[in-house]
Amino acid sequence: GESVGLHLPTLSVQEGDNSIINCAYSNSASDYFIWYKQESGKGPQFIIDIRSNMDKRQGQRVTVLLNKTVKHLSLQIAATQPGDSAVYFCAENRGSGYALNFGKGTSLLVTP
Amino acid sequence: DTGVSQDPRHKITKRGQNVTFRCDPISEHNRLYWYRQTLGQGPEFLTYFQNEAQLEKSRLLSDRFSAERPKGSFSTLEIQRTEQGDSAMYLCASSLFPVGGTSGRNEQFFGPGTRLTVL
Repeated sequence: GESVGLHLPTLSVQEGDNSIINCAYSNSASDYFIWYKQESGKGPQFIIDIRSNMDKRQGQRVTVLLNKTVKHLSLQIAATQPGDSAVYFCAENRGSGYALNFGKGTSLLVTP
Repeated sequence: DTGVSQDPRHKITKRGQNVTFRCDPISEHNRLYWYRQTLGQGPEFLTYFQNEAQLEKSRLLSDRFSAERPKGSFSTLEIQRTEQGDSAMYLCASSLFPVGGTSGRNEQFFGPGTRLTVL
């Protein structure tokens, strides 16, 4: 069936470096994408979202890039901090208000 | 705290017992979602409500599972005759769905989850 997945299960970066987390999706009808951060023992925390009519969106220290041609999504975190260590999930859906379809997650570890 | 809350945070039960979880969404949010998350996986959709109406259920929601949102505010998720395979984190999320149209966004806010262990 349709799926959302991540290229790398774990990513280790040094504090201060930039991080890039990638995500591939297979459903051409997906029109809305979200990145979530999940710390151990907590629920997912919204980071940033993007609609399919955009290819880039920036937030505070984070940027999401969407390439609809190759069905690829990425999350860039600038100047990664130890507090950024968590599991990151991309999620998609095919219309407002519907359930989100999550990928498996990438574990980001920030080392000092 | 004005975020999504869930109770209990942890539940340990024996196989065959019934359990019920509660979710209190963000007060002005009209949509409420239930997800299940197992270790190392992303959340999987179970069901969602708009106000008190249950609009969609996934195939994961067997007949042992039932969810309600009687007054369009808090919701409960009940699992009857629990099995060891039901052990997971049960997450609740809420969102504000625009009435009369769509913004094209679906920002869902998650609660801390209820971790269920079935022995």
